[in-house]
Amino acid sequence: EAQVTQNPRYLITVTGKKLTVTCSQNMNHEYMSWYRQDPGLGLRQIYYSMNVEVTDKGDVPEGYKVSRKEKRNFPLILESPSPNQTSLYFCASSLSTVMGKAFFGQGTRLTVV
Amino acid sequence: GQNIDQPTEMTATEGAIVQINCTYQTSGFNGLFWYQQHAGEAPTFLSYNVLDGLEEKGRFSSFLSRSKGYSYLLLKELQMKDSASYLCAVRDRRGRDSSYKLIFGSGTRLLVRP
Repeated sequence: EAQVTQNPRYLITVTGKKLTVTCSQNMNHEYMSWYRQDPGLGLRQIYYSMNVEVTDKGDVPEGYKVSRKEKRNFPLILESPSPNQTSLYFCASSLSTVMGKAFFGQGTRLTVV
Repeated sequence: GQNIDQPTEMTATEGAIVQINCTYQTSGFNGLFWYQQHAGEAPTFLSYNVLDGLEEKGRFSSFLSRSKGYSYLLLKELQMKDSASYLCAVRDRRGRDSSYKLIFGSGTRLLVRP
């Protein structure tokens, strides 16, 4: 089954404790991206990747890092999480860099206390 | 700048028709998507328009007018399971590297009542 898989689904952590949210897709998609979703603000792009070893900042990259060592994986790293990073996070992938139909992961609800 | 507007909430009756509007202002428009998102779940693709006109897919249709910066999603024969948020997203060309990005509206929460 074609899918984007994120882990964990839920995470509560403390300020400053490094964490990684994993994202994996099995569709051989080139384009992957991370979004955060906050009430009233919609989905905002954090980082994107057009292919292996090619990543770039989206609209709200501060406090986040990403890597794309393999085509299927695109982890999101929070080196020193802060409470304002409490949000619902989605990973998405698309077949090509023209950003056609996007497939989303199940979401990760992160709470930083 | 870039801006996408859609109503925050709408209510409709089971079996009825509802139209959700979306207006946008972007610098490098290259297509418009509609996604459905049930509470706490991932957005799922509904429709895509890149040329003016109506695209029909079962009970759902989407319309685009590029000259007016306007789109709507039409849901017919509403069912209770259609209660969800509907996200309008514009594919926009970035200035710096000619790649594309999706810009999302805040979503319209639709409540379908019996």
